Amino acid sequence: EDKVVQSPLSLVVHEGDTVTLNCSYEVTNFRSLLWYKQEKKAPTFLFMLTSSGIEKKSGRLSSILDKKELSSILNITATQTGDSAIYLCAVIHSGGYQKVTFGTGTKLQVIP
Amino acid sequence: DTAVSQTPKYLVTQMGNDKSIKCEQNLGHDTMYWYKQDSKKFLKIMFSYNNKELIINETVPNRFSPKSPDKAHLNLHINSLELGDSAVYFCASSQPGHGSYGYTFGSGTRLTVV
Repeated sequence: EDKVVQSPLSLVVHEGDTVTLNCSYEVTNFRSLLWYKQEKKAPTFLFMLTSSGIEKKSGRLSSILDKKELSSILNITATQTGDSAIYLCAVIHSGGYQKVTFGTGTKLQVIP
Repeated sequence: DTAVSQTPKYLVTQMGNDKSIKCEQNLGHDTMYWYKQDSKKFLKIMFSYNNKELIINETVPNRFSPKSPDKAHLNLHINSLELGDSAVYFCASSQPGHGSYGYTFGSGTRLTVV
């Protein structure tokens, strides 16, 4: 069965801290891994990772994929209260038409 | 301009009723999806259409029926609503082969069955 597991499930940090969120997967025919941020509305796209070892950065956020370990991490440096959200990891996989399997998410709360 | 729009945003209805949720995308994508997000925020795919053709139909009760009149629209009709159907339903679209931006989601429809 295809599965995507995220850890930790929830996290509380202080502003200014650095956090690392983890995502591991077991799927058939892996294609890409996606990170999303979900606040009150729909998930918003952060990163798409296809190649192993290449870091993608956007401001204080960065992410990298390790295909050997079947995992990815999402780093957030100098956290702000606006970073409080659920971070979702999703994997695009399967042959033919692509399927997406989502992880359960990591709930991040950044307190002042 | 809204890329993926869903209506209604909120829906409160009684058990046993039939309801529909509409989704439209103006991105020109070929593939559209319906996801159900449960109370634990877990997103689970329900259906996927590629250019009006059903390509993914996960284990979903027959009471749920998707309809795609054209590739820009994917509606979800639910018959005989049950309490367990209460959830947020997300529509999404993507363009396989041009996945630089992953999936684009609608803002969700919060369905409450009472």
